[in-house]
Amino acid sequence: GIQVEQSPPDLILQEGANSTLRCNFSDSVNNLQWFHQNPWGQLINLFYIPSGTKQNGRLSATTVATERYSLLYISSSQTTDSGVYLCAVTTFAGNNRKLIWGLGTSLAVNP
Amino acid sequence: GAGVSQSPSNKVTEKGKDVELRCDPISGHTALYWYRQSLGQGLEFLIYFQGNSAPDKSGLPSDRFSAERTGGSVSTLTIQRTQQEDSAVYLCASSSEETQYFGPGTRLLVL
Repeated sequence: GIQVEQSPPDLILQEGANSTLRCNFSDSVNNLQWFHQNPWGQLINLFYIPSGTKQNGRLSATTVATERYSLLYISSSQTTDSGVYLCAVTTFAGNNRKLIWGLGTSLAVNP
Repeated sequence: GAGVSQSPSNKVTEKGKDVELRCDPISGHTALYWYRQSLGQGLEFLIYFQGNSAPDKSGLPSDRFSAERTGGSVSTLTIQRTQQEDSAVYLCASSSEETQYFGPGTRLLVL
């Protein structure tokens, strides 16, 4: 089945720094999503981005589907950005839609 | 409107007991997913409901796990004869198209 790999697995930043998180996937997918899981466990959808580039405030994401990767950019990081960033791709099997998840990048932003 | 809600938020039970976890999806969302997240692990897909179609149960780890979705809305995940390895956070998500919205999870501890 499709493999989803995220890098780096862990990242420590000083507040104000920029960072790039990467998600590689091993086969063609129907779409890709980025999520943030805060330290209390709540998962929030950041981007639905099967291809192209999207921006939302200090966050932006780019997916290059033909090369099977997506990048999440965090600019001017804040302590509230801490948590785990998860990438998930969607595949279809018949009428069923299944998400395949990466293991995430654990980000800590220090003040 | 309201987001996805789950209950209970925390559950402590003794090994061998049965537990029921509830998920109230966002009104109108046709798809509902259950995931499990063990400490320090990624998200593990359990089961997926889409409209009136037969659910995708391919992620259920054993026959002690079952789930139903009544009236295309509320879902209940049942774990029979709980084991200590069932301890985890159980997350529910719903979606109308591609973007998934997660509930806060139920933290299950089996003693």
